[in-house]
Amino acid sequence: QQQVKQSPQSLIVQKGGISIINCAYENTAFDYFPWYQQFPGKGPALLIAIRPDVSEKKEGRFTISFNKSAKQFSLHIMDSQPGDSATYFCAASTSGGSNYKLTFGKGTLLTVNP
Amino acid sequence: GAVVSQHPSWVICKSGTSVKIECRSLDFQATTMFWYRQFPKQSLMLMATSNEGSKATYEQGVEKDKFLINHASLTLSTLTVTSAHPEDSSFYICSARSLAGGWGNEQFFGPGTRLTVL
Repeated sequence: QQQVKQSPQSLIVQKGGISIINCAYENTAFDYFPWYQQFPGKGPALLIAIRPDVSEKKEGRFTISFNKSAKQFSLHIMDSQPGDSATYFCAASTSGGSNYKLTFGKGTLLTVNP
Repeated sequence: GAVVSQHPSWVICKSGTSVKIECRSLDFQATTMFWYRQFPKQSLMLMATSNEGSKATYEQGVEKDKFLINHASLTLSTLTVTSAHPEDSSFYICSARSLAGGWGNEQFFGPGTRLTVL
């Protein structure tokens, strides 16, 4: 059972455009929602994360929008740059007893054309 | 801060041999370390969770006798792939959760180790 569904699988955006990646979750016990960026041959790097007590969080060009009732969250990359071309993973975890295990989405390959 | 290293970054070995991968938290103490496996163009698959001084907890379907995990200190965890076979070839990534500060949930990932078994 896939607990975090991510879409689209791939995305092509022109430089300067907005990239939007969506995730939906099923487990209402999730209380931490991070986004990771991964370049080929490298480990994932945390981009931005949100907790369900806020509906939006912005850090530079990256914004997470969170809809608790719909059990959905999304990553918006403003002014997308060729250097943003990477695979993006959403994830979710619960605090405490589960040792904070992350459940990952399947990933979105973002290509930003110059 | 919050740097996690892995060693080696890549390794090639013959079928039947064992390979040890180290994961270190360089500037923080890690309550918990996680080991993931990633196949090309796929997501990260959690293999096991380890807490310092305790036995690792393996995910369903992961052979604990094949993937030995030792978490000897708050800054070091090792994954040993025993009697490796070509199907064990993959990208292995560790992550560590900090003892103090932040949200507690945050995991810091290592750069990964590419294992190729011939």
